[in-house]
Amino acid sequence: NAGVMQNPRHLVRRRGQEARLRCSPMKGHSHVYWYRQLPEEGLKFMVYLQKENIIDESGMPKERFSAEFPKEGPSILRIQQVVRGDSAAYFCASSPREREPLADTQYFGPGTRLTVL
Amino acid sequence: GENVEQHPSTLSVQEGDSAVIKCTYSDSASNYFPWYKQELGKGPQLIIDIRSNVGEKKDQRIAVTLNKTAKHFSLHITETQPEDSAVYFCAAEDFGNEKLTFGTGTRLTIIP
Repeated sequence: NAGVMQNPRHLVRRRGQEARLRCSPMKGHSHVYWYRQLPEEGLKFMVYLQKENIIDESGMPKERFSAEFPKEGPSILRIQQVVRGDSAAYFCASSPREREPLADTQYFGPGTRLTVL
Repeated sequence: GENVEQHPSTLSVQEGDSAVIKCTYSDSASNYFPWYKQELGKGPQLIIDIRSNVGEKKDQRIAVTLNKTAKHFSLHITETQPEDSAVYFCAAEDFGNEKLTFGTGTRLTIIP
């Protein structure tokens, strides 16, 4: 069973460009979470999505950032007009969120390291 | 919202000795506490977790203890090995919020 997949693994953008990060959850998982990790820091929650729905975006900056999880295809985290402060590692996690003992467990992907020049 | 504090930030342990990492949380509604290991350039890997109805859980050389009254939980690694060297993160989740709040991490170094 393949784990959570993210691409690209590394992304370089110039200031003002757009960054698109993709996440494919584990098979059978319908819940996706995005976290951001700055160098030498812990992970910070950004957004929680189910298929076609944003459940909680309380950690997402109000401007330039958006996320979606369409009925078909991967979840996308989109950053418009990137700035140097957006440079970070972005991790996606997935969980089944069904009524099972391990429903709360979140499994993380390898991350996308975004560098803004 | 939830706040998780983690100590120490760095820890060096002789190979074969034990390592202990401690976390405290602020929200008494939190009921799920996972621990993740992160190696350089990789994503966090779940190593053990505990739920609020349990005080202790063990998996081979790794154990986690939870004190709900004091709102703290700890990771214990026994018989440490060089491959245990990594950054370890604790986290807490209130099921109603369904998001993880992470500690700031502990860089564990095992000295051969």
